Amino acid sequence: DTAVSQTPKYLVTQMGNDKSIKCEQNLGHDTMYWYKQDSKKFLKIMFSYNNKELIINETVPNRFSPKSPDKAHLNLHINSLELGDSAVYFCASSQDLSRAREKLFFGSGTQLSVL
Amino acid sequence: GENVEQHPSTLSVQEGDSAVIKCTYSDSASNYFPWYKQELGKGPQLIIDIRSNVGEKKDQRIAVTLNKTAKHFSLHITETQPEDSAVYFCAASGAGNMLTFGGGTRLMVKP
Repeated sequence: DTAVSQTPKYLVTQMGNDKSIKCEQNLGHDTMYWYKQDSKKFLKIMFSYNNKELIINETVPNRFSPKSPDKAHLNLHINSLELGDSAVYFCASSQDLSRAREKLFFGSGTQLSVL
Repeated sequence: GENVEQHPSTLSVQEGDSAVIKCTYSDSASNYFPWYKQELGKGPQLIIDIRSNVGEKKDQRIAVTLNKTAKHFSLHITETQPEDSAVYFCAASGAGNMLTFGGGTRLMVKP
């Protein structure tokens, strides 16, 4: 019974393609995030949504477009994929935007490889 | 914004030995310091956290210490076991701020 689940786990694609990663949480949390982890393991926040509303966009290229149809889902669509987009993408959630935002629950990651 | 530095980047210990990972932060307003453990092929998982009104916190074999004056905090793992092998991340956040993560420490516990 996975708390934060994301699909697919692996994504291999050609440069220039468009792809999506889906994320769902069953914790009843209000806030969801996308993080990018590069090959050196650095974890960097990309987006934060609270109750379907964009809160944070950390200077991510506009080829990346998050979409939150409801507060339990936060999907990430990437247009015109580039080699530098290769990384592991993590979805996460936290209870809300108050102090509880600090306790993050992560999904198991999507390893994106752009060839 | 906040900047979190973490050392060492890799740490190899013998089973049963202790392991210490250290982090420094830049924003004196930060007041929450969690530690996450990331096992191979999985997402990071919160293992312990500490708030700025506490100097030390312990949970079985793991403990965290915080020195607010010096702006550094540490993770201590005693009696290490092979299953402690993972990447560990420290992080810091202040009121209204998002978590800023350190660069991670790959811990290897040799049997």
